[in-house]
Order: sequence, then C-alpha cells, then structure tokens
Amino acid sequence: SQQGEEDPQALSIQEGENATMNCSYKTSINNLQWYRQNSGRGLVHLILIRSNEREKHSGRLRVTLDTSKKSSSLLITASRAADTASYFCATAYSGAGSYQLTFGKGTKLSVIP
Amino acid sequence: NAGVTQTPKFQVLKTGQSMTLQCAQDMNHEYMSWYRQDPGMGLRLIHYSVGAGITDQGEVPNGYNVSRSTTEDFPLRLLSAAPSQTSVYFCASSSLQGVGYNEQFFGPGTRLTVL
Repeated sequence: SQQGEEDPQALSIQEGENATMNCSYKTSINNLQWYRQNSGRGLVHLILIRSNEREKHSGRLRVTLDTSKKSSSLLITASRAADTASYFCATAYSGAGSYQLTFGKGTKLSVIP
Repeated sequence: NAGVTQTPKFQVLKTGQSMTLQCAQDMNHEYMSWYRQDPGMGLRLIHYSVGAGITDQGEVPNGYNVSRSTTEDFPLRLLSAAPSQTSVYFCASSSLQGVGYNEQFFGPGTRLTVL
C-alpha cells in the first residue's frame, strides 16, 4: 500500500495567495521528496528533505518535516498561474538491500489568475 | 544530456499480446525504476534496479518482467497484456548515496491501452 498521503486532494486559490499541502506517512524514512506533475507530463523533482532536517527552502518553496508526527508540508508562496499542477510527496526508504520510493496520490492545485 | 528517454509514447495492445517498454538514461545513474500511474491512485512502483544485473520487485510487479544488462537501459516487459494494465508508465533514475538516494529524474511516460 502507498505510504504517503497528501491532503487536501484538491486546492483552488487566487494568484498571489499561498498554497499549503500536507503529507503524512506511516513508517521510518531516509528522506522525503516533493514532485510536481503538469497535466500529461512526467514528474519534476522540487525539493528533498532528509530525515535529520526539519525545514528546507528553495525559491518560493518551503518544506517542513516532522518525523515524530510522520508528516511534511509544502508551502508555495505568492502562487502563480504556472504553479497549477499536481503535487506529490514521496517517501524514500532503503534498508536490508531494499530501495523503495513510495508516492502518495497527490494534491491537485489550481491557481486562478 | 537527453536525461531519461522512453519509447514508445503511445501504444495500443490487444489482450494477450506482449511488448517491451524501453527506458534509457545517460546520467550514469545506478538506480532505475518503473512506475505506473492510474487515475486517483498516484504512482505505484512496479520494479526497480540498483545496478546492472540487480533487480527487485516493487508494490505491483505481477504481469511485468525487467532486466538490467547495462547501466543505461532498463526495459519493462509485459508478458501477456490485460485490460488492467491500461495505464501511464513512467521510468525514472537517480544516483545512490550511501543508504539513501537522491532526486529521481522521470521520463515523459508511455500511455498504454489494452483492449
């Protein structure tokens, strides 16, 4: 079964507003990654946060990780119409010779101009 | 660098036919993987490989075979296509670092329909 679960499933905001998406997971991880997918395209990596990190920034993106609550959040500030896409969290686990990157079902973000 | 390439982009099969989805990367990545994406299901891992000659199963491996004879190529074989295998298939690669691994680079996907 899938590890990460994003919340909300869909989010609609006005251009210029901030968008927050949450991800919860069930087991221990090495790192957590966020990806964006534009309609009909492949996924593009946004940001990776390791299990010993609590917060990370990249441009207008801010990711937090709380390993005690097994949750992460992705904040997109000052959203633009071009941010309209689906966003996925993926939990990375490797151990005992197994490497698994498990994706959630995604949050569909619509930014209205 | 071409990154991760996949062929074909679209494919229609009849039930029972077999085919191979091709995936290649030119970044010398050790890790390669195949996912399928179905509406409302996100991406599910089919098979992965951590190097030439090494493959392992993911979450949904039944009906699919893989092999990794070179670092660059990681083909996915559908043995006997079924309508339940209608999906979009993505190949991805990444470098490995110790016990973890880094961002994955995705191909553009193959849209497969099984009639």
